[in-house]
Amino acid sequence: SSELTQDPAVSVALGQTVRITCQGDSLRNYYASWYQQKPGQAPVLVIYGKNNRPSGIPDRFSGSSSGNTASLTITGAQAEDEADYYCDSRDSSGNHVVFGGGTKLTVL
Amino acid sequence: EVQLVESGGGLVKPGGSLRLSCAASGFTFSYAWMSWVRQAPGKGLEWVGRVKSKTDGGTTDYTAPVKGRFTISRDDSKNTLYLQMNSLKTEDTAVYYCSRDYEYYDVLTGYYSCWFDPWGQGTQVTVSS
Repeated sequence: SSELTQDPAVSVALGQTVRITCQGDSLRNYYASWYQQKPGQAPVLVIYGKNNRPSGIPDRFSGSSSGNTASLTITGAQAEDEADYYCDSRDSSGNHVVFGGGTKLTVL
Repeated sequence: EVQLVESGGGLVKPGGSLRLSCAASGFTFSYAWMSWVRQAPGKGLEWVGRVKSKTDGGTTDYTAPVKGRFTISRDDSKNTLYLQMNSLKTEDTAVYYCSRDYEYYDVLTGYYSCWFDPWGQGTQVTVSS
């Protein structure tokens, strides 16, 4: 399968830890990347590779992978983390890109 | 500063054509793989296609719904990426983003990584009669 599956919505209390997951067969060979998108804005890369953060991304964001599941963890969620989060990977052919359906994160 | 700026979006009738441009600055464009990603209203992200650098063959790949209708090209002398869209359908209505496309193989883990960074601000394409 070339699909990536994400929970449509997740909520977290301010300051608590939340894990957003992404499942797919391709994740057995590819690390997922993670993007944050706020309303009306372009996506922003927050995690890539095994667990790498681009410059400017707070260290409360981290990534992990096990089997066919990749996870984005936010440790100590802040109000400004409320956004849609997307994972992506290559498909089984390695030539095409697939995105998960996105997870809407609400910070309570 | 690394920057991507899209242009060329607009309103077009079904069956029509449109060409989007993406002007790059702040990095060596000729070395970069570049992709287009779109987002329909209220929907998630959808990869449209990619062009590799000329040193990596300059080949293109497309998602199935646009293959044969859309063409991605690049002009390295102008640091510009293009998306020629023909035979447009109402379902092509979306914000179109360009992004630099990275791929890396980790020899220690045997895993590949791929990611998009940065992203342009997007350009709106509306296909409607």
